[in-house]
Amino acid sequence: QQQVKQSPQSLIVQKGGISIINCAYENTAFDYFPWYQQFPGKGPALLIAIRPDVSEKKEGRFTISFNKSAKQFSLHIMDSQPGDSATYFCAASILGDYKLSFGAGTTVTVRA
Amino acid sequence: DGGITQSPKYLFRKEGQNVTLSCEQNLNHDAMYWYRQDPGQGLRLIYYSQIVNDFQKGDIAEGYSVSREKKESFPLTVTSAQKNPTAFYLCASSLAQKNEQFFGPGTRLTVL
Repeated sequence: QQQVKQSPQSLIVQKGGISIINCAYENTAFDYFPWYQQFPGKGPALLIAIRPDVSEKKEGRFTISFNKSAKQFSLHIMDSQPGDSATYFCAASILGDYKLSFGAGTTVTVRA
Repeated sequence: DGGITQSPKYLFRKEGQNVTLSCEQNLNHDAMYWYRQDPGQGLRLIYYSQIVNDFQKGDIAEGYSVSREKKESFPLTVTSAQKNPTAFYLCASSLAQKNEQFFGPGTRLTVL
């Protein structure tokens, strides 16, 4: 019943490398796609979000790519740093709706 | 210093006991949410409230109850009817009809 499917479950990347996390959705009514970052024992924090009227959004080393026809979106972490080691969640919602549907999460480990 | 506070950080209870988790926000947000987080399953919505004295069931409401008597507060009671209550519980809030949700630090509940 999970409306947003996220992969991989975990990944390990060397410092300076690129981390890529993918998400896919089915509900074509979704029009808001945020990514959250969560450190162990803490609550998630909004990292970056995108609406489907753009194909890419960049904030610092974090980039969301969005493919509306494929119903997929992805997070790229460029020049990954050990401080980026965290769990990342994608989510989707209908703008103005109260409910977010979350992916299962990806644990990213950046090795120094 | 605006934000969301959850207490306690760790909570232990015996089987068959009800327990109440606290969530307070001073962001003047209208909407509040409770999520449950289990390893590998992402965040699942338990209950949410759009305004005071009103709340709706989320995807996994069975065995839980909430109240919203004040705008700032949204306590969650985990009842003895919840079959598997051990989990990390997250409270969040947002402005009315805005998708960006802000999360608290979480409460880790362990049933002994």
